[in-house]
Amino acid sequence: DAGVIQSPRHEVTEMGQEVTLRCKPISGHDYLFWYRQTMMRGLELLIYFNNNVPIDDSGMPEDRFSAKMPNASFSTLKIQPSEPRDSAVYFCASSRGEFFIGRDGETQYFGPGTRLLVL
Amino acid sequence: KQEVTQIPAALSVPEGENLVLNCSFTDSAIYNLQWFRQDPGKGLTSLLLIQSSQREQTSGRLNASLDKSSGRSTLYIAASQPGDSATYLCAVYSFQGGSEKLVFGKGTKLTVNP
Repeated sequence: DAGVIQSPRHEVTEMGQEVTLRCKPISGHDYLFWYRQTMMRGLELLIYFNNNVPIDDSGMPEDRFSAKMPNASFSTLKIQPSEPRDSAVYFCASSRGEFFIGRDGETQYFGPGTRLLVL
Repeated sequence: KQEVTQIPAALSVPEGENLVLNCSFTDSAIYNLQWFRQDPGKGLTSLLLIQSSQREQTSGRLNASLDKSSGRSTLYIAASQPGDSATYLCAVYSFQGGSEKLVFGKGTKLTVNP
């Protein structure tokens, strides 16, 4: 398997522009996660899906952020409008898990990340 | 709210040295604890996963221990090599705010000097 695929790998945009990040999870994985990593705050969970349904979006910083998973092989994270403080590395991860991933002991597989810079 | 702390933030050692990375967490009601490795510009790779009922896990030169009651874990790296240079993140899986979540520490950046 090719692993988790993210695109683009790098994105530079100007404040106010819409940014769309894309993720293709590992085939057969039921869970998909979006994380954001910054030096100040470390790695933070933004939202995760189970079988394409959003389960917990409490980490989404504000209404400017939205995520969708229209099918089992594709997810997007959108920022509109973008702001300089959104600059970070955004990771997508996927995992198997029949019921509860933590209790099932399944690890998450991370993509290479999208490095976003908002000027 | 679960918080994960890793000390030290950075560590530099000569090749061949044995070393220990530390992780502490505030809520002991966890399902499992994982250690990840992150190389510059890349994603995270899971190294070891310890279930809450386990005390330790080993993989090659790596050994991770878990003391759930005290909220601590250590990652022991034997005979360190320059290729071990990376950032090591500790993460705990627990039920937080109505759902299961993986909460990460900020990592320890390890440099192994040849």
